[in-house]
Amino acid sequence: GQQLNQSPQSMFIQEGEDVSMNCTSSSIFNTWLWYKQDPGEGPVLLIALYKAGELTSNGRLTAQFGITRKDSFLNISASIPSDVGIYFCAGHRGYGGSQGNLIFGKGTKLSVKP
Amino acid sequence: DSGVTQTPKHLITATGQRVTLRCSPRSGDLSVYWYQQSLDQGLQFLIQYYNGEERAKGNILERFSAQQFPDLHSELNLSSLELGDSALYFCASSVTLEGHEQYFGPGTRLTVT
Repeated sequence: GQQLNQSPQSMFIQEGEDVSMNCTSSSIFNTWLWYKQDPGEGPVLLIALYKAGELTSNGRLTAQFGITRKDSFLNISASIPSDVGIYFCAGHRGYGGSQGNLIFGKGTKLSVKP
Repeated sequence: DSGVTQTPKHLITATGQRVTLRCSPRSGDLSVYWYQQSLDQGLQFLIQYYNGEERAKGNILERFSAQQFPDLHSELNLSSLELGDSALYFCASSVTLEGHEQYFGPGTRLTVT
């Protein structure tokens, strides 16, 4: 199935560092979402973006809906240990057959620097 | 806690068998989605139900089927299981048919031996 290109695949963080990740697609999406998944758990919705150019924050997390509608970015400021996990971007085109459902990136795995 | 519940948490079964996974959506949500998560394919959409009716299908195998009951809970039936069906299966729910914001359950880990 189709997937979004999410990068980086993994990264190591030190407490207090800022983190950036992004997601790109060859197609346009009407909604971009960011989820976080902890081991053994289901994805948890962090931020939803509905308009091209929109910038939305949720605490230390900030996400942007790209102007072209083909990309999105997530930034985490001043990272803390509980930020470790896998972050997924997801795109939604709108209703219509399978287009009404989420298409996911492969995830960015955040780990603590040894 | 998303409010979406799934049972069982873990399931171990043999090839050729049939299993049923169960999902209860968040209170008030009419749409239920099923996703499969595997290491190589990532999160893949399988099927959507809205208020009891099938509304969208993704890459769901013919051996798999689902239904949504009048109380809005949903079941995913997997039959003639193969080793490659081992994966995490997630249910998600949303208020609307369009499902812009979907809330995921804790998942069922299926292991086929």
